[in-house]
Amino acid sequence: GENVEQHPSTLSVQEGDSAVIKCTYSDSASNYFPWYKQELGKRPQLIIDIRSNVGEKKDQRIAVTLNKTAKHFSLHITETQPEDSAVYFCADVTASKLTFGTGTRLQVTL
Amino acid sequence: DVKVTQSSRYLVKRTGEKVFLECVQDMDHENMFWYRQDPGLGLRLIYFSYDVKMKEKGDIPEGYSVSREKKERFSLILESASTNQTSMYLCASSSPRAKAFFGQGTRLTVV
Repeated sequence: GENVEQHPSTLSVQEGDSAVIKCTYSDSASNYFPWYKQELGKRPQLIIDIRSNVGEKKDQRIAVTLNKTAKHFSLHITETQPEDSAVYFCADVTASKLTFGTGTRLQVTL
Repeated sequence: DVKVTQSSRYLVKRTGEKVFLECVQDMDHENMFWYRQDPGLGLRLIYFSYDVKMKEKGDIPEGYSVSREKKERFSLILESASTNQTSMYLCASSSPRAKAFFGQGTRLTVV
């Protein structure tokens, strides 16, 4: 995609609470929206993805929602645990181009 | 197991040197990407390629070039390294509209 905005840049939650990270995209041709998690000193790894023909997808404690009209998509993590602490990146794909947001540093405190 | 391998983990080069960063994937992926990662700026796309010998500029191509002579290999070239190119460089590969796999990263320091 052309531009992906991600908010917030940092997020601190208590263990057991939920965390929500939001992204917006600008290119209406975007058709695939992955989310990556990057732990300190490691490479980014895919945690969940959604395609443009689906509104919501869930995998255990994580879920992603997509609003194509508003060009928004969000990551929801429930019952957060200390091991969820990491940097999370949203991304979109348009015609083979994979563009990332600026990342959200999530800190889960005990 | 899936593998994207970058040729160096750490690299120190002098200003003005020509620098080659190599990336190899073993998954027969069509797409390959080069990003640089800087604190607070996320993953910024430098160049990508969707086929052999095909390349497209990303968001920050200035000062870089790429080469993809074989499907499994995507090279990033810094024609004349400068200190503002000191960064973490990440390579990735994917099939179209599918999960991308990243290399381990190359931390480049230009002195």
